[in-house]
Amino acid sequence: QQQVKQSPQSLIVQKGGISIINCAYENTAFDYFPWYQQFPGKGPALLIAIRPDVSEKKEGRFTISFNKSAKQFSLHIMDSQPGDSATYFCAAASGGYQKVTFGTGTKLQVIP
Amino acid sequence: GAVVSQHPSRVICKSGTSVKIECRSLDFQATTMFWYRQFPKQSLMLMATSNEGSKATYEQGVEKDKFLINHASLTLSTLTVTSAHPEDSSFYICSARGGAGSNQPQHFGDGTRLSIL
Repeated sequence: QQQVKQSPQSLIVQKGGISIINCAYENTAFDYFPWYQQFPGKGPALLIAIRPDVSEKKEGRFTISFNKSAKQFSLHIMDSQPGDSATYFCAAASGGYQKVTFGTGTKLQVIP
Repeated sequence: GAVVSQHPSRVICKSGTSVKIECRSLDFQATTMFWYRQFPKQSLMLMATSNEGSKATYEQGVEKDKFLINHASLTLSTLTVTSAHPEDSSFYICSARGGAGSNQPQHFGDGTRLSIL
């Protein structure tokens, strides 16, 4: 059972555009929702995270929108750049961030 | 920032060989370390969680005798793939979590690409 569903599987965006990745979860016990960025051959790096008591969090060009009632959250990358090309994973955690469940990943390609 | 070092980055070996992968937290004490496996173009799947000085907790379907985990110190955990076979070929990634309190994030290593011939 996939506890965190992520879409789209792949995404192509032009430079300067907005990249949007969506995730949905089922387990209401999740209380921490991080996003990770992974480049080929590297481990994932924490990008930004949000807790369910906040509906939006912004850090630079990256924004998380959170809809607790719908159990959905999304990542928006504003002014997308070729250097943003990577695989993005949403995730969900509970119990003090002990165990993280990852989404299926979105491969983002930003073209010049 | 917190740095997790994983070694080696790549291993190629013959079937039947045992392979040890090290995961070190360089600038913090990792009370908990996690081991993940990632197949090409797929997500990270948690294999096991280890707390310093205690036995690892394995996820369902992960053979504990096949994947030996040792977390002997607050800065080092090792994963040994015993008698590796081609189906064990994968990208193995560790992460470490440290500090007091429940809100400490996991910091990931750069992974180990294991190829069994």
